[in-house]
Amino acid sequence: EPEVTQTPSHQVTQMGQEVILRCVPISNHLYFYWYRQILGQKVEFLVSFYNNEISEKSEIFDDQFSVERPDGSNFTLKIRSTKLEDSAMYFCASSEARTANTEAFFGQGTRLTVV
Amino acid sequence: AQKITQTQPGMFVQEKEAVTLDCTYDTSDPSYGLFWYKQPSSGEMIFLIYQGSYDQQNATEGRYSLNFQKARKSANLVISASQLGDSAMYFCAMRVTDSWGKLQFGAGTQVVVTP
Repeated sequence: EPEVTQTPSHQVTQMGQEVILRCVPISNHLYFYWYRQILGQKVEFLVSFYNNEISEKSEIFDDQFSVERPDGSNFTLKIRSTKLEDSAMYFCASSEARTANTEAFFGQGTRLTVV
Repeated sequence: AQKITQTQPGMFVQEKEAVTLDCTYDTSDPSYGLFWYKQPSSGEMIFLIYQGSYDQQNATEGRYSLNFQKARKSANLVISASQLGDSAMYFCAMRVTDSWGKLQFGAGTQVVVTP
């Protein structure tokens, strides 16, 4: 069964450093998403991406964050200068369509720890 | 604006018993989908079951069923014959058609199954 894959599974970085989280969505999917889950809290939407551009973003997704699809298969989330409060699990998801009845498939997550 | 509410932070259930996890939602969009995800301690998000706003029948998937009461805006998950492996965090989420397909999550319910 096709799946969304994320790398790395764990990343530890120093405050102020840049990190890139990588995702390979399911190949025929067109809509891509990043979500964040701070430990013990709920899953929060960060950004959606369609047709090589951001379609929607939350207020969490400030200028420190960026996304791109550099080569038609990978979908990356970059955090420019990490802060302690960026420590969280980051989930990538992809979907065939944006309709309400379409399932979003999640990757296994990247646990980011900023020290 | 859409809102998802899970009011039970945690529940204990005995093995082989059934458990009901509450979820209420609010949206003005007539077309929406409701999803339940399981998150074990390993962190990944596992899709369990889906209910569409226009579905006439309650969704079922193995031991999972959804008690959908549209007028009350509730979509409770019922897990029958609980197993030790059901111990996890459970999230209710909603997707509306009038958006770019983002999921909005509830706060989650931690379920612990005891022998």
